[in-house]
Amino acid sequence: SAVISQKPSRDICQRGTSLTIQCQVDSQVTMMFWYRQQPGQSLTLIATANQGSEATYESGFVIDKFPISRPNLTFSTLTVSNMSPEDSSIYLCSVGGSQVSYNEQFFGPGTRLTVL
Amino acid sequence: KQEVTQIPAALSVPEGENLVLNCSFTDSAIYNLQWFRQDPGKGLTSLLLIQSSQREQTSGRLNASLDKSSGRSTLYIAASQPGDSATYLCAVRPPNNNAGNMLTFGGGTRLMVKP
Repeated sequence: SAVISQKPSRDICQRGTSLTIQCQVDSQVTMMFWYRQQPGQSLTLIATANQGSEATYESGFVIDKFPISRPNLTFSTLTVSNMSPEDSSIYLCSVGGSQVSYNEQFFGPGTRLTVL
Repeated sequence: KQEVTQIPAALSVPEGENLVLNCSFTDSAIYNLQWFRQDPGKGLTSLLLIQSSQREQTSGRLNASLDKSSGRSTLYIAASQPGDSATYLCAVRPPNNNAGNMLTFGGGTRLMVKP
């Protein structure tokens, strides 16, 4: 298994500002993902963070709004840009369990974002 | 497009009851299915992982079954306790491919176990 930490755990931000969320894993992993969970909803995949190249975004999510960095195999950041109240959600970092086969997936503790 | 549904959406039971949570998926071509637990405002904790070739997995008081052909999985919780109160999510993974590794989640079942 992988141990995943996220910073910050929660934040309250003003409309129009940006927040960068950090995700740190205790071991090297090939696959890292960012999810969003809006209030009362299930999880939606934002993007796959690729080491050394641009992230792969899912439909409805764009790089200008959610820029992602992945400088190495243990760390990634997600920025929520020009925030609005609709961005209030829990943002979750996730990693795949194996480099060889897509197996068990693990999640970080999440970052609870409230935009006023 | 894969769709995952969980029934019921919410469930309230007295302590000690055995209970079953249901998960159904529309595309039976899956690589595996994973059950998670989520406490309010927190991240997800992996409970059980069932590969597509397996029928069930057990961990303590939890037992998950998989019937891939009918697109169904159940999570059985024996002798429920107040500490089991949480939202339970199931997610399915497509077969390995170069396009990615995207989990599709159900909407979750919110469980409350009353003392």
